[in-house]
Amino acid sequence: EAQVTQNPRYLITVTGKKLTVTCSQNMNHEYMSWYRQDPGLGLRQIYYSMNVEVTDKGDVPEGYKVSRKEKRNFPLILESPSPNQTSLYFCASSYLGRDEQFFGPGTRLTVL
Amino acid sequence: GQQLNQSPQSMFIQEGEDVSMNCTSSSIFNTWLWYKQDPGEGPVLLIALYKAGELTSNGRLTAQFGITRKDSFLNISASIPSDVGIYFCAVQHGSSNTGKLIFGQGTTLQVKP
Repeated sequence: EAQVTQNPRYLITVTGKKLTVTCSQNMNHEYMSWYRQDPGLGLRQIYYSMNVEVTDKGDVPEGYKVSRKEKRNFPLILESPSPNQTSLYFCASSYLGRDEQFFGPGTRLTVL
Repeated sequence: GQQLNQSPQSMFIQEGEDVSMNCTSSSIFNTWLWYKQDPGEGPVLLIALYKAGELTSNGRLTAQFGITRKDSFLNISASIPSDVGIYFCAVQHGSSNTGKLIFGQGTTLQVKP
C-alpha cells in the first residue's frame, strides 16, 4: 500500500531533550516536506527536500533540523525542544512538479 | 509572507444543507488546490484548479478558480456527516517544480445529522 508513515504518532517530552520524528514514504517520491499545524494558523512548512542531500528551509525552520540521506526517509530533528514547538506535525511527499502531496497521519508533540 | 485567507473559519450545518467556503489572496497564483483533513488524519487532495475561471467538480464538491487568480471557492452540495473535517485551500509558491505549497488557515466543518 502506497503510504507515508510517521513515528511516533504521539510524544510527550521535556524542554531540551533531543528528539527525532521519523518519516518514510514508499512511493519513490523526490519531494518531501515537514509541516506543523496549529489552531488558526493552518499548515506551515518547516523544511522541504527536493531530492537526496537537497534540503531547504520553509517558512518556520527555527529550532528544527532535517536530513535526506535516502530517498524514502526524511527525519525531523529537534535538538533542544521548547514548549512553543508543541504542535501537530505532518510529513508529506510528492513527485517533483506534481501538485498532489501525500500526507502522513501526523505526530502530536507536547513539550513540557 | 504571502497569506491565504479562508472564510468562514468554522461552520456548523444540518445534514442535507449546501456549504460554501472561499479563499482569497493579495497575490496572483496559477494553481489553486483544495485539501480535506478528516479528524485524526493528514490532509488529502480533493480538487486541483489550473485555469482562471475554471469550474471543476468531484462528486458533490465543486470548486472554482477565480477570474482574477486571487481567489477560489469550494461548494459542497447536500452535506452528509462524513463531510466533517477541516478544508484547506493551498497554492503553489514560486515555480511549480519546487513543490512548495502555502496553505490557508482552514475552514472547520461540522455536520449535524
